[in-house]
Amino acid sequence: DAGVTQSPTHLIKTRGQQVTLRCSPKSGHDTVSWYQQALGQGPQFIFQYYEEEERQRGNFPDRFSGHQFPNYSSELNVNALLLGDSALYLCASSLVGLGYTFGSGTRLTVV
Amino acid sequence: AQSVTQLGSHVSVSEGALVLLRCNYSSSVPPYLFWYVQYPNQGLQLLLKYTSAATLVKGINGFEAEFKKSETSFHLTKPSAHMSDAAEYFCAVSDRAGSARQLTFGSGTQLTVLP
Repeated sequence: DAGVTQSPTHLIKTRGQQVTLRCSPKSGHDTVSWYQQALGQGPQFIFQYYEEEERQRGNFPDRFSGHQFPNYSSELNVNALLLGDSALYLCASSLVGLGYTFGSGTRLTVV
Repeated sequence: AQSVTQLGSHVSVSEGALVLLRCNYSSSVPPYLFWYVQYPNQGLQLLLKYTSAATLVKGINGFEAEFKKSETSFHLTKPSAHMSDAAEYFCAVSDRAGSARQLTFGSGTQLTVLP
């Protein structure tokens, strides 16, 4: 049973560029959440998608946006990249009433 | 608002010694509490969770944690450390056990196991 799959695993972007990260949830899961983990810190909640709509959002600027597709997969988009956006981005999928399953993350480096 | 404080960003123990990782939480509603482990270049793996049933929770790999409401604590313990336990550990809180609520994480504790 495949778990949560994230792509790409590593990415280097230039300040000011835009980036798209992708996540395929665990089979049977319908909810996708995104977290940002800066170096040496705990993950911080960005937003959560359910039924193709953003259901919850953390304290992140509008430069961070997302999308969920009918097959429950999801994208995280970040515009106008800043050096401070360099982090590990984690996707977690879940089904109502059950816990999260985390992917291995995408390491984004902004130079 | 909810928050988690993990005391000690780095903890070192000898192989075979007791592991104790501290977590204190703040929550305005009955909390649900979690411990996750993260190995280098990997995602988070759930060790155990407290969802208002038994206050002593047993998890994977020999870990357990005790929920103490009076102390607002949820410390993680393991009687005997193994080299493979070396990793980063995160305590997290949510206000619902399922998927509908976000997790708020602590800043993590790096566990080193000395031979």
